[in-house]
Amino acid sequence: DTGVSQNPRHKITKRGQNVTFRCDPISEHNRLYWYRQTLGQGPEFLTYFQNEAQLEKSRLLSDRFSAERPKGSFSTLEIQRTEQGDSAMYLCASSLGSNNWQANSPLHFGNGTRLTVT
Amino acid sequence: GNSVTQMEGPVTLSEEAFLTINCTYTATGYPSLFWYVQYPGEGLQLLLKATKADDKGSNKGFEATYRKETTSFHLEKGSVQVSDSAVYFCALSGGFFSGGGADGLTFGKGTHLIIQP
Repeated sequence: DTGVSQNPRHKITKRGQNVTFRCDPISEHNRLYWYRQTLGQGPEFLTYFQNEAQLEKSRLLSDRFSAERPKGSFSTLEIQRTEQGDSAMYLCASSLGSNNWQANSPLHFGNGTRLTVT
Repeated sequence: GNSVTQMEGPVTLSEEAFLTINCTYTATGYPSLFWYVQYPGEGLQLLLKATKADDKGSNKGFEATYRKETTSFHLEKGSVQVSDSAVYFCALSGGFFSGGGADGLTFGKGTHLIIQP
């Protein structure tokens, strides 16, 4: 178990550029989540996958944001035409979920990708 | 919708002091409750959890009891150490009602704990 891996750790980009982040979850986990965390705040939910299906998206996820999990393993989060307000830590988490909610494993988080938009 | 409120920080204590970090929640249904910890430069780690009323979660000397009557899940530790310095997040998971996926989390804003030797 190598844990949840996120790349890159840091990304600095100019306003208007596109960026893509990658998340590799724990291998046997079927659920994958993206969160955003700004300074002094708790993580805020962005979107969630069960296997390859994107089942839920937050209203925080504007049209400039898109996430994929094409084979039900790793996931990518792309931000198009970045804005300064997109500067944040982007967190990925994974879990092993089932129909019995009490049997669900807790979320395991990666170390995040810190995005700075200049 | 669901929400979590936790005490503002930073909280500064001396080593071996007693710690309480308050957390209250608003949720529909019967949420599970969690405390996550974020050490400097590291990712969020699960500290403890409780899945039903009156359950007590415990780990590394920390405890929290799920109080449905007061909608609270306060974090306590009898004697803190310098190594406990971190940011602590209270969170809940309410299933499909949470707006965060089947077992996604709604977090509080976090409480920065500083332990001085």
